[in-house]
Amino acid sequence: KNEVEQSPQNLTAQEGEFITINCSYSVGISALHWLQQHPGGGIVSLFMLSSGKKKHGRLIATINIQEKHSSLHITASHPRDSAVYICAVWDTDKLIFGTGTRLQVFP
Amino acid sequence: DTGVSQNPRHKITKRGQNVTFRCDPISEHNRLYWYRQTLGQGPEFLTYFQNEAQLEKSRLLSDRFSAERPKGSFSTLEIQRTEQGDSAMYLCASRTMGETQYFGPGTRLLVL
Repeated sequence: KNEVEQSPQNLTAQEGEFITINCSYSVGISALHWLQQHPGGGIVSLFMLSSGKKKHGRLIATINIQEKHSSLHITASHPRDSAVYICAVWDTDKLIFGTGTRLQVFP
Repeated sequence: DTGVSQNPRHKITKRGQNVTFRCDPISEHNRLYWYRQTLGQGPEFLTYFQNEAQLEKSRLLSDRFSAERPKGSFSTLEIQRTEQGDSAMYLCASRTMGETQYFGPGTRLLVL
């Protein structure tokens, strides 16, 4: 069993839909990242959070430390949101990554 | 440009050859990380530095792999006697303690 599990693995949506990606982890952590990876490999950090909720534009990330669970929400999805979204947790001084959720948003 | 840079972006080599990759972190970042990512998987931690000190190495890092950060600035990752299983994207990232991590564009290695 992976230490960081994401669901779903693949997700398709119509433009405008509300999207949720879930992440569960089994290790004790100090913080959690949500990352976005586009084709070609570049990774961008969307959020780093250790409690509560953060919002940036149409993106919202929440974390429940007691339940070891985090969610990434995308409101009013757009085709440019199509990418792989990766959850990663800080385990002492290194990141442990989930396998990612591939999102495709169609016009 | 103040982002993390990596060179080369792509490398094709024959099995048994040695390869070296370079990472230039964001200048004020004292922590530098190397990860490996194979197709369809999330990245996996390889090693990290705080300034010039290599503080942790993954069990994934066999004896054929060595990483250095001699002056606490740029870092190199060398793979000796490459094998086909080394084919992957090698990612570098940097940060200051407690802050978010910034990733480079990666070096894609193909071992024939």
